[in-house]
Amino acid sequence: DTGVSQNPRHKITKRGQNVTFRCDPISEHNRLYWYRQTLGQGPEFLTYFQNEAQLEKSRLLSDRFSAERPKGSFSTLEIQRTEQGDSAMYLCASSLRTLDEQYFGPGTRLTVT
Amino acid sequence: AQTVTQSQPEMSVQEAETVTLSCTYDTSENNYYLFWYKQPPSRQMILVIRQEAYKQQNATENRFSVNFQKAAKSFSLKISDSQLGDTAMYFCSLDSSYKLIFGSGTRLLVRP
Repeated sequence: DTGVSQNPRHKITKRGQNVTFRCDPISEHNRLYWYRQTLGQGPEFLTYFQNEAQLEKSRLLSDRFSAERPKGSFSTLEIQRTEQGDSAMYLCASSLRTLDEQYFGPGTRLTVT
Repeated sequence: AQTVTQSQPEMSVQEAETVTLSCTYDTSENNYYLFWYKQPPSRQMILVIRQEAYKQQNATENRFSVNFQKAAKSFSLKISDSQLGDTAMYFCSLDSSYKLIFGSGTRLLVRP
């Protein structure tokens, strides 16, 4: 399968714990995006990488959130000191060029108890 | 600020019939793209159709077509010959640079 993959698919954690999610984009895509989707809503942009450079971060991305994309390949999204409000689906997408179709992964569903 | 508005939270249609989902948007950019994405239950989001703002001709993909009214900033999706597999959340989205701005979605149910 050459699509976007995300791991884990589901994560249940206790409030205050740290969590890390991984996204593997389509191999030739140099653009990678993270979105957050809460129940019944459309995805909201979090951050964007072009190769290994993080070019934009949403105001939604508080200091507890950090994202990396070492060597311009896979990306990780870490949430420190999780809060119940962090419970959501975290989606990763990749594209070849600006304004191209973005290909989405299956998402990681985070539940903070 | 760029916004996308979908005013129909839920819609239903009889199998084989036609349904139209509405979307309006706001942007000050001249060069942008519009998309309709489909998110089936518990499955990942996939692209249904895209429209480049500089193109006057409405995009068509098999049973899916759009009515793009640039001056009115309207971008509706028409699904013809609806199939059970069309049951999903449909999101209208705007891309003017590097990120997608999504509407709140329309839940479409195709009834057998």
